[in-house]
Amino acid sequence: SAVISQKPSRDICQRGTSLTIQCQVDSQVTMMFWYRQQPGQSLTLIATANQGSEATYESGFVIDKFPISRPNLTFSTLTVSNMSPEDSSIYLCSGTGTAEGYTFGSGTRLTVV
Amino acid sequence: GENVEQHPSTLSVQEGDSAVIKCTYSDSASNYFPWYKQELGKRPQLIIDIRSNVGEKKDQRIAVTLNKTAKHFSLHITETQPEDSAVYFCAASNGQAGTALIFGKGTTLSVSS
Repeated sequence: SAVISQKPSRDICQRGTSLTIQCQVDSQVTMMFWYRQQPGQSLTLIATANQGSEATYESGFVIDKFPISRPNLTFSTLTVSNMSPEDSSIYLCSGTGTAEGYTFGSGTRLTVV
Repeated sequence: GENVEQHPSTLSVQEGDSAVIKCTYSDSASNYFPWYKQELGKRPQLIIDIRSNVGEKKDQRIAVTLNKTAKHFSLHITETQPEDSAVYFCAASNGQAGTALIFGKGTTLSVSS
């Protein structure tokens, strides 16, 4: 199955700034997904990213706050914009080629101070 | 959209006992049901999955059962060991369509020796 490299693994950011998280897949995957996992909680889907089209966002998440890029079948980025302490969380990317199941990146632990 | 309910939220067992975690889903189009184990500070790891064309799947001490009519699936762990202690998540998706995994809220399993 595909392997996803995600970076940064962790960061501490000042409120009001932005952070871009990158995920690189070692093979082509059809769909990529971005999740947020708040402390002690489950994984919540932020958006689905398909190559060449605008990402599809879940209720409660908007493009201005979480812009996503998907320039090709092996790469995606998520930006957390104008951060506040409430954005402190683990962010995970995931990919699927449908037949192989789903693979997850190692996660980015974000702390906003 | 899909909604996944998971019970119980916490489960404590003695080493050697069995543990059962149950999930229900709402979308009849879902056909892929994985279970993930997440240890503290790590990404979710797939431990077993089942697709809608089978009713049960086993892998050593772990088994998953699926009842499509009732829209529920369960994880069974036999002969539990302290290293089984972790948070377990169920999830559901339309794997053929490449839709995102929707996760249950998780079960914290504690195995005491």
